[in-house]
Amino acid sequence: GNSVTQMEGPVTLSEEAFLTINCTYTATGYPSLFWYVQYPGEGLQLLLKATKADDKGSNKGFEATYRKETTSFHLEKGSVQVSDSAVYFCALWRPPQGNMLTFGGGTRLMVKP
Amino acid sequence: NAGVTQTPKFRILKIGQSMTLQCAQDMNHNYMYWYRQDPGMGLKLIYYSVGAGITDKGEVPNGYNVSRSTTEDFPLRLELAAPSQTSVYFCASRLGQGNTDTQYFGPGTRLTVL
Repeated sequence: GNSVTQMEGPVTLSEEAFLTINCTYTATGYPSLFWYVQYPGEGLQLLLKATKADDKGSNKGFEATYRKETTSFHLEKGSVQVSDSAVYFCALWRPPQGNMLTFGGGTRLMVKP
Repeated sequence: NAGVTQTPKFRILKIGQSMTLQCAQDMNHNYMYWYRQDPGMGLKLIYYSVGAGITDKGEVPNGYNVSRSTTEDFPLRLELAAPSQTSVYFCASRLGQGNTDTQYFGPGTRLTVL
């Protein structure tokens, strides 16, 4: 079946540091890949997505590239801010095997001033 | 648009009690979903619906029931609450056009069963 593996957190960084959160997946064919962000006390929000190999999703300074050869979709940001503190979830979508997203376990990011 | 709304925000139940978690969306989305999020874990799908009158089980449906009588509403029913159902519950919806349209999530209901 489909699965998503994320690096365990928490990840603690100082403001303006470089961020990488690793995400690898297992799925047949060509899934679509997503990063969702969950700020404290809120629901999940879509951060970015990529629908085919070598696509780069980007939003709010975050980027992730769909790497078919390494089955990865690592999230990066060049300079994090305190306001980026949240839990980040990697997810995949592999219709027609189902109508659901498969989520990774989430990675908590804490950014200190 | 209000988006996806959920009520209540918090609830404490005793073992064996029942309750309904409400979810509504005003975006005319076809697909709706119920997830649970346990501490430190990702989201697990409980039930989903592809349109009014159509529901299907997700990964963890035991102990729950759903109905979808209208496009807007997708309530989740817990009949005999158990401590294992202590979790945060999220409702989500998507339009259903294509495979990559965005899922929109509600703010969640935090449920504790004692």
